[in-house]
Amino acid sequence: GQNIDQPTEMTATEGAIVQINCTYQTSGFNGLFWYQQHAGEAPTFLSYNVLDGLEEKGRFSSFLSRSKGYSYLLLKELQMKDSASYLCAVMNSGGYQKVTFGTGTKLQVIP
Amino acid sequence: GAVVSQHPSWVICKSGTSVKIECRSLDFQATTMFWYRQFPKQSLMLMATSNEGSKATYEQGVEKDKFLINHASLTLSTLTVTSAHPEDSSFYICSAAGKFNTEAFFGQGTRLTVV
Repeated sequence: GQNIDQPTEMTATEGAIVQINCTYQTSGFNGLFWYQQHAGEAPTFLSYNVLDGLEEKGRFSSFLSRSKGYSYLLLKELQMKDSASYLCAVMNSGGYQKVTFGTGTKLQVIP
Repeated sequence: GAVVSQHPSWVICKSGTSVKIECRSLDFQATTMFWYRQFPKQSLMLMATSNEGSKATYEQGVEKDKFLINHASLTLSTLTVTSAHPEDSSFYICSAAGKFNTEAFFGQGTRLTVV
């Protein structure tokens, strides 16, 4: 089975940097996703990591360590619109691209 | 990214009736489609995985006779909630992946309210 853990809530200040951690345990691993989800909307894709290291994409970066079962999403220059839930999701290696989601981290950006 | 269209966006139905939700991939062939359910303040829970032309694989605890999934073509999958009850009220989201896609693209979601 799979177990994905991330903090339930975080608060950060506009303009600051925030790091959202995710740890996972899985019987097979074929990549880790980060999604952003605003209330009442479908998730939107942020990043995909399958190899160890840091992937940078504008204000968002994602890091993966497969040996540690650990990832983080780094958000820089926070904006009020970044207030949302951030979902860590792991794709298993059993075929059919099955993705299991963590419970999500609700980020509140304050002025 | 690719476009996945889900319809309807919201639906209110009476208890005991059935509701069909459609998920279409508009610009790619979706070899695999996923159906998720999300209750308020909770994350997405995978209900089932379907591959075109074959029976869906349901997650543990999901009743296959209640949540009927059909994936008859490479661009369309449907989820039918049969004999809906108020506890089935939730946000249902589909996602679709092509044969060579790493990422699965999400539909807009359907908010189902059973009264």
